[in-house]
Amino acid sequence: DAKTTQPPSMDCAEGRAANLPCNHSTISGNEYVYWYRQIHSQGPQYIIHGLKNNETNEMASLIITEDRKSSTLILPHATLRDTAVYYCIVMLSRDKLVFGAGTILRVKS
Amino acid sequence: DVKVTQSSRYLVKRTGEKVFLECVQDMDHENMFWYRQDPGLGLRLIYFSYDVKMKEKGDIPEGYSVSREKKERFSLILESASTNQTSMYLCASSSLGSLLNTEAFFGQGTRLTVV
Repeated sequence: DAKTTQPPSMDCAEGRAANLPCNHSTISGNEYVYWYRQIHSQGPQYIIHGLKNNETNEMASLIITEDRKSSTLILPHATLRDTAVYYCIVMLSRDKLVFGAGTILRVKS
Repeated sequence: DVKVTQSSRYLVKRTGEKVFLECVQDMDHENMFWYRQDPGLGLRLIYFSYDVKMKEKGDIPEGYSVSREKKERFSLILESASTNQTSMYLCASSSLGSLLNTEAFFGQGTRLTVV
């Protein structure tokens, strides 16, 4: 079973920040939080990951709460091409990725 | 450019046929994975491999087998294809790394239809 809980869907206006939440209340101390997305008809694509500290790269920012029980993926200026299913994943062991249902993000003009 | 390549984008096979889905990665990754994706069920792990000739069952291994004779290649085998194996199949690879914190790269998928 996936160890994360995400809302099934979200809408975001084009050009605005998209904030995607994820709950992972049973995360253990050495587990990382990863985010992937899947655009229609493509394979999943890695976005970002983190352990304790907030992380930022060219695609997104990841904010992890101090108790590590939840996190938020931020797409700072969403575009129509960011419409996708976003998966929050906690690494179980030895890189075995287990996907939950994810959040369908719809970016609207 | 890192690359995970699946041999076919679309495949149509008959019930009872033996089907081979091939996946090749050029990143010298130790880990390779096979998933299937179905509407409403999401991505489910079928098998994975940490090294050559090693394999482990995922969540739904029934009806499938795998082969990893070379590090770069991971094959998914449907011994006797059935209609309920009609699905999108996705291959992925990743590096073991030293801190369990490396991302996985996915192929474009093979849409298999069993008739």
